[in-house]
Amino acid sequence: AQSVTQLGSHVSVSEGALVLLRCNYSSSVPPYLFWYVQYPNQGLQLLLKYTSAATLVKGINGFEAEFKKSETSFHLTKPSAHMSDAAEYFCAVSANTGGFKTIFGAGTRLFVKA
Amino acid sequence: EPEVTQTPSHQVTQMGQEVILRCVPISNHLYFYWYRQILGQKVEFLVSFYNNEISEKSEIFDDQFSVERPDGSNFTLKIRSTKLEDSAMYFCATRRDGAGETQYFGPGTRLLVL
Repeated sequence: AQSVTQLGSHVSVSEGALVLLRCNYSSSVPPYLFWYVQYPNQGLQLLLKYTSAATLVKGINGFEAEFKKSETSFHLTKPSAHMSDAAEYFCAVSANTGGFKTIFGAGTRLFVKA
Repeated sequence: EPEVTQTPSHQVTQMGQEVILRCVPISNHLYFYWYRQILGQKVEFLVSFYNNEISEKSEIFDDQFSVERPDGSNFTLKIRSTKLEDSAMYFCATRRDGAGETQYFGPGTRLLVL
């Protein structure tokens, strides 16, 4: 079985500051990991995914995440926050078992201050 | 770029009524999923569907829910007798094949049960 824990339901940063959203996962088999972004009243947009090819994954909008097996973590970072980054971010895990159903974390709402 | 589409985008219904939510998968995708997101909460897995049968379902997916692919293209989620607590955003997702293939999410249907 898989699970995801996102540390911090709300994160607030200043514009131009580093964004760090934390995600830890649990999986009994090699996981596939994802970060999605959701803007208010909209659907889910895939930011990036880890599928075992490379531990440092670059995504859209300047985001990246690093898979650390020893820490069971997949934290999302962006060097410089923009106002447009304000949204809800979901970390998610899937695996070959269970037909690749996606298990989502509770989400972290990112606030960006001017 | 191919997209998953969902209809309707919004639906308001009375408690006890039946609703059918529709999804048109990306054409060469073989695996289909429904998720729901109650307002302000995380995205939850409902059911996965492959080769015209349910692969896995969550405890949320009780006898009031059913899925089918009636015409080989649309993928539907039916709620037989809606309850107030069924109010949520419902996302369809589809996946092609192969380990690690990303699920592509539709824009969602917002269901409001009065």
